[in-house]
Amino acid sequence: DAGVIQSPRHEVTEMGQEVTLRCKPISGHDYLFWYRQTMMRGLELLIYFNNNVPIDDSGMPEDRFSAKMPNASFSTLKIQPSEPRDSAVYFCASSLFFNQPQHFGDGTRLSIL
Amino acid sequence: SQQGEEDPQALSIQEGENATMNCSYKTSINNLQWYRQNSGRGLVHLILIRSNEREKHSGRLRVTLDTSKKSSSLLITASRAADTASYFCATDTDGGFKTIFGAGTRLFVKA
Repeated sequence: DAGVIQSPRHEVTEMGQEVTLRCKPISGHDYLFWYRQTMMRGLELLIYFNNNVPIDDSGMPEDRFSAKMPNASFSTLKIQPSEPRDSAVYFCASSLFFNQPQHFGDGTRLSIL
Repeated sequence: SQQGEEDPQALSIQEGENATMNCSYKTSINNLQWYRQNSGRGLVHLILIRSNEREKHSGRLRVTLDTSKKSSSLLITASRAADTASYFCATDTDGGFKTIFGAGTRLFVKA
């Protein structure tokens, strides 16, 4: 069984550039979550989708962040323009139902120089 | 603010010993989950305990839940070097519309 697939695994770019992170959830999972993990703030929920519809984006830090889920098998998280403080590991997770076990990808380690 | 807070922040034990980690939370919950994260990897779900359950076992893992004290504990028995990882509790907020992860406990098991 393929798990949650994220790409790229690592991204290094200069501030001001646009960054796009990608996620393929587990087939059949109705919920998709985007998290950000840093040493200072731990694991933060940014946004989650149910059946491709954004439900709660209150964790998105600024308008520079946007997320889309055009279909059940693909989601993107975009940062434009990127800033050094956006450096973190970004995780995507999916689950069958809400409040049920979430399956995480291995994350994208983002470094903004 | 975080719903779940783990204690201790870090724990170092010898292989074969038991490891106990605690999680406290603030508001009523529907369920509580424990996850493990190995270095450089995503979180892996370990066990889910519902608010009407008091104890649950899975292999070498034992989880307890005390809703009156708003706390849970994760016990790993006969630890192995491969158990070295960070362990997180996750709770749903009151109303159950968001899952919040704690800051985690870093466990180091010495061979």
